[in-house]
Amino acid sequence: DAGVIQSPRHEVTEMGQEVTLRCKPISGHNSLFWYRQTMMRGLELLIYFNNNVPIDDSGMPEDRFSAKMPNASFSTLKIQPSEPRDSAVYFCASTLKSSYEQYFGPGTRLTVT
Amino acid sequence: TQLLEQSPQFLSIQEGENLTVYCNSSSVFSSLQWYRQEPGEGPVLLVTVVTGGEVKKLKRLTFQFGDARKDSSLHITAAQTGDTGLYLCADAGGTSYGKLTFGQGTILTVHP
Repeated sequence: DAGVIQSPRHEVTEMGQEVTLRCKPISGHNSLFWYRQTMMRGLELLIYFNNNVPIDDSGMPEDRFSAKMPNASFSTLKIQPSEPRDSAVYFCASTLKSSYEQYFGPGTRLTVT
Repeated sequence: TQLLEQSPQFLSIQEGENLTVYCNSSSVFSSLQWYRQEPGEGPVLLVTVVTGGEVKKLKRLTFQFGDARKDSSLHITAAQTGDTGLYLCADAGGTSYGKLTFGQGTILTVHP
């Protein structure tokens, strides 16, 4: 298996632009998690899905952030409009519901100027 | 809300030295996991401990879970440069969906 796939690996954009981050979980995993990592705040859980349904989005910082999981093999995290304080590394992780072992993707490093 | 505190925040040592990092919780862990994150990569699971007093070994790494299940330690013997990275502890309690609560991590740098 290729593991969790994220794209792009790096994204540089200007303030106000829309940013879309993409994730393909490991085949057969039924839970998917989006995290944001910064030096100041560490690894923060933004939202997670189970069987493509959003379970808890309380970590999403603002209405500018939205996430979708249209099917079991694809999820997106969208920021519109982006702001410099959104600069961070965004990780996607997947797991089998009963396992608790999360498999992380390589992350997307987002820089908003 | 559960709080996980990891210490030290930063650790810089020479190759060959031993080290211990700690993870403490404000409440009892359901089960505790240790992850290592190398620069430019996502975290990777090292071990899961479930039972109070449990000790697990993974080559040069020794993981201990406190008897009261509110603390844990990770000891590395004879550190190598390849051990450099961010060490994160996480609690797997609270939901049935695999959700984890992570500590802030310990950044370890091993110098040659």
